[in-house]
Amino acid sequence: KQEVTQIPAALSVPEGENLVLNCSFTDSAIYNLQWFRQDPGKGLTSLLLIQSSQREQTSGRLNASLDKSSGRSTLYIAASQPGDSATYLCAVFSGNTPLVFGKGTRLSVIA
Amino acid sequence: DTGVSQNPRHKITKRGQNVTFRCDPISEHNRLYWYRQTLGQGPEFLTYFQNEAQLEKSRLLSDRFSAERPKGSFSTLEIQRTEQGDSAMYLCASSGDRPGRLEKLFFGSGTQLSVL
Repeated sequence: KQEVTQIPAALSVPEGENLVLNCSFTDSAIYNLQWFRQDPGKGLTSLLLIQSSQREQTSGRLNASLDKSSGRSTLYIAASQPGDSATYLCAVFSGNTPLVFGKGTRLSVIA
Repeated sequence: DTGVSQNPRHKITKRGQNVTFRCDPISEHNRLYWYRQTLGQGPEFLTYFQNEAQLEKSRLLSDRFSAERPKGSFSTLEIQRTEQGDSAMYLCASSGDRPGRLEKLFFGSGTQLSVL
């Protein structure tokens, strides 16, 4: 059974700092991995999707990497802003159950 | 593209009552998913549809839960005889479909259910 773990559970950083969020998964036989953002009481917004054949994806200040063999992904946020404050969720698709999510990392960027 | 729409946004009900939620996916998406999320947890998969066919159901989906997508467009999720443990955010998502690949999921804003 696929399990997804995200570390840290919560993170507080000053504005402007670069930061890394971590995601690990137990079964490396995945098709793809997605990073989502969730604001309090809201739905999820897809940030980046990495296919299993890819090593990384970039969108603006966000960069996600995937090391499938070691079961790890990182989300790098450059020059963090208060508007980046949200919960970031990692989810993997293994072909049997549509998307298994981690519990998320709650990020606070302090102005 | 109006996004995924869910109604109602909030639902408060008494234990034992039935509730029904609606999801309108992005129009060209033929896959539709239901997830449930409780505070501090990631979303948990409930069920999904390919067009009007319900292809998979989680063990979380007890007999009190039923989902339909009658014409392959909107979907409804009904919970019968609600229990306090059903209190959660119910999320709907949709995606396109390419063979062998899962496309990016687009989520609605969710329906927050509170069972008193």
